[in-house]
Amino acid sequence: NAGVTQTPKFQVLKTGQSMTLQCAQDMNHEYMSWYRQDPGMGLRLIHYSVGAGITDQGEVPNGYNVSRSTTEDFPLRLLSAAPSQTSVYFCASSYSPVNTEAFFGQGTRLTVV
Amino acid sequence: AQKVTQAQTEISVVEKEDVTLDCVYETRDTTYYLFWYKQPPSGELVFLIRRNSFDEQNEISGRYSWNFQKSTSSFNFTITASQVVDSAVYFCALYRGGADGLTFGKGTHLIIQP
Repeated sequence: NAGVTQTPKFQVLKTGQSMTLQCAQDMNHEYMSWYRQDPGMGLRLIHYSVGAGITDQGEVPNGYNVSRSTTEDFPLRLLSAAPSQTSVYFCASSYSPVNTEAFFGQGTRLTVV
Repeated sequence: AQKVTQAQTEISVVEKEDVTLDCVYETRDTTYYLFWYKQPPSGELVFLIRRNSFDEQNEISGRYSWNFQKSTSSFNFTITASQVVDSAVYFCALYRGGADGLTFGKGTHLIIQP
């Protein structure tokens, strides 16, 4: 029962470096999303996808890119990391955006120095 | 725009006490869904409950209970006879439909002291 798998769990980047946070789910969910969690801010939606080939921006999309080439995978790319992107990132998936709870990954703790 | 407010930043109680976590939401939609999640010290998010806007029945699950009141736009969470394992950050969230994702409150850090 893998559910939603995020890699890596921890990452330290230097300002300006790029990296991809991986997210994979094995539940055949159409809807996937990325959130970031900052102290005292709760979780905020970065990007989401309602199915393969379809993505859209959430509340805080700047500095991040996503793609959805398969139902299973939804990677989040940081093209040029900034200290403001230091956060914990969660990937989530669900059967549809409507009427279902989201299954969350374990989170990726990213530090940009 | 929708908003979720968890006014209690941190609550500390002694084990076996009852504790209520408050959640107040704002939305113009008539159809919406409310959630509670638990985030233990290990960091993962654990789904606790989902409630849709047409179902105002209170729910009880073991020591956990939820009180949904549309008249006051509140969806409060009560833990009865708290235990140390209940120590966590608890998030209330709102989903309005469509593909916008969940709107989270800022969370309440619950500390249960032995």
